[in-house]
Amino acid sequence: EAQVTQNPRYLITVTGKKLTVTCSQNMNHEYMSWYRQDPGLGLRQIYYSMNVEVTDKGDVPEGYKVSRKEKRNFPLILESPSPNQTSLYFCASSERRESPLHFGNGTRLTVT
Amino acid sequence: QQPVQSPQAVILREGEDAVINCSSSKALYSVHWYRQKHGEAPVFLMILLKGGEQKGHDKISASFNEKKQQSSLYLTASQLSYSGTYFCASPVPSAGNMLTFGGGTRLMVKP
Repeated sequence: EAQVTQNPRYLITVTGKKLTVTCSQNMNHEYMSWYRQDPGLGLRQIYYSMNVEVTDKGDVPEGYKVSRKEKRNFPLILESPSPNQTSLYFCASSERRESPLHFGNGTRLTVT
Repeated sequence: QQPVQSPQAVILREGEDAVINCSSSKALYSVHWYRQKHGEAPVFLMILLKGGEQKGHDKISASFNEKKQQSSLYLTASQLSYSGTYFCASPVPSAGNMLTFGGGTRLMVKP
């Protein structure tokens, strides 16, 4: 089954403790991206990748890192999480730039 | 600048129709529409790539007026399963597959 898999689904952590949210897609898609969704602010872009080793910032990249060492994986790294990064995170992939986005099921992160 | 959607929320009875509008102050080269149910990921509905294009899927269709920088989503004879939040989105130029999403329209269909 074609899918984007994010893990974990829920994560509660403390300020400053490094964490990684994994994202993997099995559709051989070139493009991958990360969004965060907050009430009243909608979906906002964090980082995107156009191919292996090609990544760039979206609108709200501060406090996040990404890597794309393999085509299928696009992890989101929070080196030193802070409470303002409490949010619902979505990974998405697409075949081409103008193709539909396939979203993962989301990761609800709480930083205390 | 994110696209602006209207209305922000709408309540319908089953079988009624609804229109959701999306407009942008920037040029719109294409428009995506997604639906998100509570607690779930957004799900793709359709893309309109060209001005004047209209698309339909079941009883949900959309139009795209490139000159007016607007798109509309039409839900006909709504069903309970149509409930959710609808987002329009436009590609970010030179930014991979990044989309700028509108603020969303919350649609509730009641029996």
